[in-house]
Amino acid sequence: NAGVTQTPKFRVLKTGQSMTLLCAQDMNHEYMYWYRQDPGMGLRLIHYSVGEGTTAKGEVPDGYNVSRLKKQNFLLGLESAAPSQTSVYFCASSLGSASGNTIYFGEGSWLTVV
Amino acid sequence: LAKTTQPISMDSYEGQEVNITCSHNNIATNDYITWYQQFPSQGPRFIIQGYKTKVTNEVASLFIPADRKSSTLSLPRVSLSDTAVYYCLVGGRLSGSGNTGKLIFGQGTTLQVKP
Repeated sequence: NAGVTQTPKFRVLKTGQSMTLLCAQDMNHEYMYWYRQDPGMGLRLIHYSVGEGTTAKGEVPDGYNVSRLKKQNFLLGLESAAPSQTSVYFCASSLGSASGNTIYFGEGSWLTVV
Repeated sequence: LAKTTQPISMDSYEGQEVNITCSHNNIATNDYITWYQQFPSQGPRFIIQGYKTKVTNEVASLFIPADRKSSTLSLPRVSLSDTAVYYCLVGGRLSGSGNTGKLIFGQGTTLQVKP
């Protein structure tokens, strides 16, 4: 039972570099989400997807891009990393967004931008 | 989207019952209320979910008054391992035209259980 898997778990980037975080879920969920969590803070929604081929902006989308080419995968890209993007990134998925659905989270990806 | 308000932090002692209240004044008719628990360096995990009145599972109870403008998570006889951040989440209902799936978490309540 893999659930929601994120890769990589840890990464250090230099300012201006680009990278992609991969999220994969094996539960056939329609909805997927990317959140970031800064030290001592709550979760903030970056982008989300309500189905294959769709993406939408969350609370803090600037500086990030996403793609959902396959139902099971949701990619988060940083085109030009900045120190302000140092954070823990959590991917999550749910059956749908209808009331009553449970969100399943991955274990997180720790990103440091120097 | 229903905004939630929770206390930032709470302290308790082992063996006590802990009640954490979440306010959600503009909850919509179709919205459920879901609570999540997050330990340091881990992703949040589901604890309990409800729509109205009372829900109980092996971990916690959830009390929701008739007007649904608030909810209370009750943790019976907490232990040190219950030290975590607890999030109340409301919303995510189907709205019929786009903008569904925008699930916004509040700040959460940091519960510290002391021996």
